[in-house]
Amino acid sequence: KNEVEQSPQNLTAQEGEFITINCSYSVGISALHWLQQHPGGGIVSLFMLSSGKKKHGRLIATINIQEKHSSLHITASHPRDSAVYICAAMFNDMRFGAGTRLTVKP
Amino acid sequence: KAGVTQTPRYLIKTRGQQVTLSCSPISGHRSVSWYQQTPGQGLQFLFEYFSETQRNKGNFPGRFSGRQFSNSRSEMNVSTLELGDSALYLCASSIGPTYPNYGYTFGSGTRLTVV
Repeated sequence: KNEVEQSPQNLTAQEGEFITINCSYSVGISALHWLQQHPGGGIVSLFMLSSGKKKHGRLIATINIQEKHSSLHITASHPRDSAVYICAAMFNDMRFGAGTRLTVKP
Repeated sequence: KAGVTQTPRYLIKTRGQQVTLSCSPISGHRSVSWYQQTPGQGLQFLFEYFSETQRNKGNFPGRFSGRQFSNSRSEMNVSTLELGDSALYLCASSIGPTYPNYGYTFGSGTRLTVV
């Protein structure tokens, strides 16, 4: 069983919609990352969280340590947001969720 | 400032050969970690180096090894290549070791194909 679970696996949205991607993990962690991967493979680190909430532009990430759960929200989604979003939990090493493939249609 | 540089970008090797991949971190970053990404297994952690010392190692066979030099550049080596080693290999750098407040910057990766 993967220690980091992401949902949904695939997500299709219309431009402008509010998007939520969820990540849960099985044991205590020191931090959680949200990563974005575009076709071609390049990965961008969006957020690193150990508590609370962070916001960057239209992206918001939250983490609930007690519930072992994190969410990534995208407000006013745009086709350029289409990518694979991956959560990664810091245990002694980094463990990755399977990713959520987001497609935003114009 | 320059990002994380991985070389080469693409590589084709034959089963049984060995390969060395290189990662140059962002200037001032002393921690380098390596990851393997395959369609079947997704992203998996290989190992992490900080100040020339391996701090953590993922669940990979001994054919996978790495090292870090005094200038923080890192190499990973895979010996006796198998078809299943075909993957995108990514490295990431950060200021310090795996610690809650340090962010990571990823390189563009090396796509290795074993034939």
